[in-house]
Amino acid sequence: QSALTQPASVSGSPGQSITISCTGTSSDIGDYNFVSWYQQHPGKAPKLMIYDVSNRPSGISNRFSGSKFGNTASLTISGLQVEDEAEYYCSSYTSRSIYLIFGGGTSLTVL
Amino acid sequence: QVQLQESGPGLVKPSETLSLTCAVSGDSINGYYWSWIRQPPGKGLEWIGYIHSTGTTNYNPSLKGRVTMSVDTSKNQFFLKLSSVTAADTAVYFCAKLPCITSCVQFDPWGQGTLVTVSS
Repeated sequence: QSALTQPASVSGSPGQSITISCTGTSSDIGDYNFVSWYQQHPGKAPKLMIYDVSNRPSGISNRFSGSKFGNTASLTISGLQVEDEAEYYCSSYTSRSIYLIFGGGTSLTVL
Repeated sequence: QVQLQESGPGLVKPSETLSLTCAVSGDSINGYYWSWIRQPPGKGLEWIGYIHSTGTTNYNPSLKGRVTMSVDTSKNQFFLKLSSVTAADTAVYFCAKLPCITSCVQFDPWGQGTLVTVSS
């Protein structure tokens, strides 16, 4: 069982927007703005898409945005494109001894 | 642009020690934190630990003292050793840089990953 909870799958049509949630606790997401999101295509390494809840690294499309409310962080992808189809993972710093935890991953299907 | 490349045996016997190397190119390893993350086949990501170029480490306590990381700044490489492996340690092992943009909790970039299978 992963420490952060994500939906197993989400889907959307090209051009639409989708949101992936990531729920933690007051020991991680709730108390710290250190949430990151990663995109992973099959057989590839994860790629950082969002850090510190809502910041985009250089080169990442502004179609990707992040937010947080309480113990839940969210990744929103607007203007869905076929190439967005991938697995998405959230991660967060935690004040527990483990230091850093991941969500179980969400499979995004672009229909 | 920094690039990372993992290398090491793809097959390790149960109870033995898994040893991997991450070679860093395009940037100096000095002054940064570097991490190992693994992904069992078909499953999610698990943070293993990080090491600073000075040798400071922090490990995932769930690995119960089986992890050792080290660094060789002269070769621009860092290393992972995981002892007493079992089939549960079968995974793709990634190395990654922690750029510490505002905090050292994001990984960017990642190596391509290397599959390590634990089997007799």
